[in-house]
Amino acid sequence: EDQVTQSPEALRLQEGESSSLNCSYTVSGLRGLFWYRQDPGKGPEFLFTLYSAGEEKEKERLKATLTKKESFLHITAPKPEDSATYLCAVLEEKLTFGTGTRLTIIP
Amino acid sequence: KAGVTQTPRYLIKTRGQQVTLSCSPISGHRSVSWYQQTPGQGLQFLFEYFSETQRNKGNFPGRFSGRQFSNSRSEMNVSTLELGDSALYLCASSLDGANYEQYFGPGTRLTVT
Repeated sequence: EDQVTQSPEALRLQEGESSSLNCSYTVSGLRGLFWYRQDPGKGPEFLFTLYSAGEEKEKERLKATLTKKESFLHITAPKPEDSATYLCAVLEEKLTFGTGTRLTIIP
Repeated sequence: KAGVTQTPRYLIKTRGQQVTLSCSPISGHRSVSWYQQTPGQGLQFLFEYFSETQRNKGNFPGRFSGRQFSNSRSEMNVSTLELGDSALYLCASSLDGANYEQYFGPGTRLTVT
């Protein structure tokens, strides 16, 4: 069965303090890895899709990378508005989501 | 371009009743997926519809069903509600079957009492 594990479960950072979120997966035939951001009471918001090992995508302060076993979401100099839960999902036959990392940026 | 819309946004039902939730995808999107989100289990895949056909189904009992109409709008139905069905039900649409950049609606918060 597909497994998607995100770590840490929660992360508190000072504003401007860079860090990385991890998403490790075990699927036999990865067709894509997706990152989403979810704010409380809202649906997930699409951020990135990565298709092959070595691929990188950037958007503002976020950069996603992919290896054969895991993906990282790097956040550089975060701001309070980056506070949210970040979800990753892997696509084989269907999308399987991890349980997310709850990120809090303290002003 | 309008996003994914879901109705109703909030719903309170009694155990044993049935409920129908509605989802209108982004214009031009032909694939609609449904998810259940709970604090303990996270986002769990229910099913996916593409061109009115169910293409994938998650591990949920037969009380959960869905359909898609010719205009790509989708409904999901839960019969004989149980307390454990209380959750946020999310609908997501994508352009076509091969492109899984899914765009989510705001969800329907279902409370079963």
